[in-house]
Amino acid sequence: DGGITQSPKYLFRKEGQNVTLSCEQNLNHDAMYWYRQDPGQGLRLIYYSQIVNDFQKGDIAEGYSVSREKKESFPLTVTSAQKNPTAFYLCASRDRGRSNQPQHFGDGTRLSIL
Amino acid sequence: DQQVKQNSPSLSVQEGRISILNCDYTNSMFDYFLWYKKYPAEGPTFLISISSIKDKNEDGRFTVFLNKSAKHLSLHIVPSQPGDSAVYFCAASPSNTGNQFYFGTGTSLTVIP
Repeated sequence: DGGITQSPKYLFRKEGQNVTLSCEQNLNHDAMYWYRQDPGQGLRLIYYSQIVNDFQKGDIAEGYSVSREKKESFPLTVTSAQKNPTAFYLCASRDRGRSNQPQHFGDGTRLSIL
Repeated sequence: DQQVKQNSPSLSVQEGRISILNCDYTNSMFDYFLWYKKYPAEGPTFLISISSIKDKNEDGRFTVFLNKSAKHLSLHIVPSQPGDSAVYFCAASPSNTGNQFYFGTGTSLTVIP
């Protein structure tokens, strides 16, 4: 069954700790994205990647880092520099090969501070 | 600056009636518009889209209308069902990238049985 898998579903971070959120897709999509959702707000773009070994900053990249070593995987690291990391994180992918294609989302990871 | 706006945080509708969700945008470069449905603790699910060359797109009970001159789009759900109760996000993408999507803040729809 094709889709996007995010893990873990819930994650807790201690002060000064880096944590990594996993995102894997088997849709053969080139483009992948990370969004953050806060209560009462829309989705805000953190990073996106259009092809392997390439990625661009979104609107709120400070305190985050990503890698894109494989087409299927786009992990997000929330670093200790991110002072307000508590949020719901969503990963998405998209087929760039055809025009006007929607993004497909995983079920998210909820990150909380201990 | 919010380029895609959903000014109604919530909407309640009786089962069987029409639900109309609205969305406004400010960037005239947007040419692809989407609606997503989201249940709590899940990711958004794609519902319906429209490109700027059209002013209407239908898919079953769902119809999206686009008014480019007003920079406004709306989602009509007819007839509304209790299972439609969810948060609905509109999103838009500019023609120059095709890769960056901008989302509204969402409207929580409650369909009352």
